[in-house]
Amino acid sequence: SQTIHQWPATLVQPVGSPLSLECTVEGTSNPNLYWYRQAAGRGLQLLFYSVGIGQISSEVPQNLSASRPQDRQFILSSKKLLLSDSGFYLCAWSVTVDSPLHFGNGTRLTVT
Amino acid sequence: QKEVEQNSGPLSVPEGAIASLNCTYSDRGSQSFFWYRQYSGKSPELIMFIYSNGDKEDGRFTAQLNKASQYVSLLIRDSQPSDSATYLCAVRLGADTGFQKLVFGTGTRLLVSP
Repeated sequence: SQTIHQWPATLVQPVGSPLSLECTVEGTSNPNLYWYRQAAGRGLQLLFYSVGIGQISSEVPQNLSASRPQDRQFILSSKKLLLSDSGFYLCAWSVTVDSPLHFGNGTRLTVT
Repeated sequence: QKEVEQNSGPLSVPEGAIASLNCTYSDRGSQSFFWYRQYSGKSPELIMFIYSNGDKEDGRFTAQLNKASQYVSLLIRDSQPSDSATYLCAVRLGADTGFQKLVFGTGTRLLVSP
């Protein structure tokens, strides 16, 4: 069966510091991968998606970036965090662009 | 107009009752619809998906879709306190919008009292 791992679970970072969140999927090949953010009291916002290794599409222009160095690895990064980057970051995967998304356990990021 | 709208609630029902959660969407080209459950502090988990008009049942859950009215609902029969959570409606946008991304509503909080 397929599993998705996301780490760390919680993170507290000062403003201006860098960020790296990692997500890996097991049990499937060439998954579609996604990064979502959920701010307090708000809905899930799609940040990035990838339909294949090395391919990244951005939905929201901001100081975040994503990379997919391996087939089942998805990384979310920032060079300098802003207070507004605080939130619950969720990695997800799907078999195809039409199939349901399955989420990792998430990373709760607090920028101080 | 928001792409996916849900009443934020809370929707309070007694244990054993039917909980009815509703969702409307704006993109007429949308073809697939999903319900996720999210417990406080946790990530969303998929409950059901529906692609065709009508009802789809899975255990205590029934998803209902009416594309003409752009309306999708989730019924939870015999509600249990463990069903207390926020329920997210998600709609995959139509092909004419480019990448068919999955757009989420802000969720309806359900409280089931013993």
